Amino acid sequence: AQKVTQAQTEISVVEKEDVTLDCVYETRDTTYYLFWYKQPPSGELVFLIRRNSFDEQNEISGRYSWNFQKSTSSFNFTITASQVVDSAVYFCALSGPYSGNTPLVFGKGTRLSVIA
Amino acid sequence: GEEVAQTPKHLVRGEGQKAKLYCAPIKGHSYVFWYQQVLKNEFKFLISFQNENVFDETGMPKERFSAKCLPNSPCSLEIQATKLEDSAVYFCASSQRGYGEAFFGQGTRLTVV
Repeated sequence: AQKVTQAQTEISVVEKEDVTLDCVYETRDTTYYLFWYKQPPSGELVFLIRRNSFDEQNEISGRYSWNFQKSTSSFNFTITASQVVDSAVYFCALSGPYSGNTPLVFGKGTRLSVIA
Repeated sequence: GEEVAQTPKHLVRGEGQKAKLYCAPIKGHSYVFWYQQVLKNEFKFLISFQNENVFDETGMPKERFSAKCLPNSPCSLEIQATKLEDSAVYFCASSQRGYGEAFFGQGTRLTVV
């Protein structure tokens, strides 16, 4: 069975601090996809990144970066120089070999509060 | 359309009443998914469709929940005889033919009172 664990329920940081959100996953599939979504207070789900299991290269997009390590089954997300607008609930998710037709398994989310 | 459109945005029903939610997937997307997000942020997969056919319904509470995706109509999720525990945000997502990430709608917040 697939499982995603986000051990940090809530994190609070002061603006401009760096923050890392942890994600650990379990799957028996050899091919799978990992995702991060942002859910701001307005409630919509904003897609941030998709990574397939064959691509362990770290990714950077502006202030966001992701560290994928198959050896530890982790897909951590770092926000550099956090801003108040980063305050949201962040979800890590996992899908099976075909990310378009297998449902996502979500973690329980990490609520990030960035204080000015 | 270029985005997944869910209606209504908010829905309030008395316990025991019926609730019907709608989802128009992105044009050209063959797969539609329904998820339920309860108040503690937990997502639960309900059902998926490939065009008008049920693809995976392993998460669907079949007693009171039903769903359809008919040609040339928005997909729908219907809850008969709603219960307080059905209060949640229901998200619809669509994706292309078996690959690519799923795109989510804005969600429908159902409140059962």
